[in-house]
Order: sequence, then C-alpha cells, then structure tokens
Amino acid sequence: GAGVSQSPSNKVTEKGKDVELRCDPISGHTALYWYRQSLGQGLEFLIYFQGNSAPDKSGLPSDRFSAERTGGSVSTLTIQRTQQEDSAVYLCASSTETNTGELFFGEGSRLTVL
Amino acid sequence: DAKTTQPNSMESNEEEPVHLPCNHSTISGTDYIHWYRQLPSQGPEYVIHGLTSNVNNRMASLAIAEDRKSSTLILHRATLRDAAVYYCIRNQAGTALIFGKGTTLSVSS
Repeated sequence: GAGVSQSPSNKVTEKGKDVELRCDPISGHTALYWYRQSLGQGLEFLIYFQGNSAPDKSGLPSDRFSAERTGGSVSTLTIQRTQQEDSAVYLCASSTETNTGELFFGEGSRLTVL
Repeated sequence: DAKTTQPNSMESNEEEPVHLPCNHSTISGTDYIHWYRQLPSQGPEYVIHGLTSNVNNRMASLAIAEDRKSSTLILHRATLRDAAVYYCIRNQAGTALIFGKGTTLSVSS
C-alpha cells in the first residue's frame, strides 16, 4: 500500500514478556518516528530516525525500550519485560528527508499488557 | 517540552469560523510551525505548516504573527467532523516533532 503500515494492529501479552512492533514507512521517506499514546493522553515521542544520522532516542522511557531501522526502511520497536504501564497505542510516522512537511501516520499498534 | 501554549479546549458552532490560537514566544528564526489534528480513535493527521508567511490549503489557513511569537489556525467553516484535538508544534527542520496536549475543539450543530 501507499501509506505507513504497522503490525500487529493489536497485541495482548503477559507482563514480563518481550514484544516487537513493526513499521513499514512510505517508500522513499527517510525520516521515521515512533510515538505512543496511552488511553486519554497525548502523543509521547519515543524515537526519531533521520537518514543515516544517529537516531534521537531521547524519548525512550527506559532501557527496556529499543528500536532499530534496517536498511533505512523498516523499523522495529522492541519492548523487553513488558509492564502494565506499557499498555498504549504505538504510532509510527514517516516523512521526507527535510522533515519540514507532512508526517504520515500509521494506524498504530495497540498493546495490552495483562 | 512542546514549547507551545494552547488553550485546553474551545467550542464552536457548525458552519462558523474557528480561530485556534497558539503561543510560541521563544521560537527561533529557523523553527517551523506545524499543526496536526487527531480525530477520536484515529491517528494524527497533518493540517498545515509554515515558517514566516501566512499559508492556505484546502483544510485551513495559518496566520503567523509578524514577530512569529504566535500563530492562529483558522478553520473557515467548522463542520462536525472538525471536532478533534488540534496540536500546534514548533520544530526545527531535521529534528523530532514533539506534540503537546493540544486544544480539544468541540463543534455543535
């Protein structure tokens, strides 16, 4: 498809398990973001990839969270030893290199930690 | 730190114009002003962005103060579908867009 694709759309896991969330950005977009949104809350910035530059990881809430972007395209957000407070919708967005224009968001991955 | 200040909520009537204010008094000369909105149960969507000059597109207009310390998003004729959270973001090109709490716009028929 032409848009940002995220998978899985829904994930239910048990506390303490690891989860991986995947994001396929729009082809040709070199900037990629991860955000999360807890129920009733605003968007919380997690991490930002821009081309070949070192990613901006300043939003990652703990060392249980990590993300990588392989080949400048697909990105995976990994949460280790999940906690109930990790329950949220995880949103991925991509944009062109200059990042002065539009961010295109995916539909999100809803994570529920029991 | 979103570095912008917006009212928590605003109300409007359908088919009337809406002016959503945003204060960004510490903006630097190279910061862009972006507006996004988030409809209920959906991801954010781009509305408009600008640097210095006023901008118009099919969705809205962006009026930027001459000193760039504030801006206003203008919806020319509000519809029920425009009810959403509107986020004003200042951002330097090549850096992460940080969303604040935004303004929740309610539209009544």
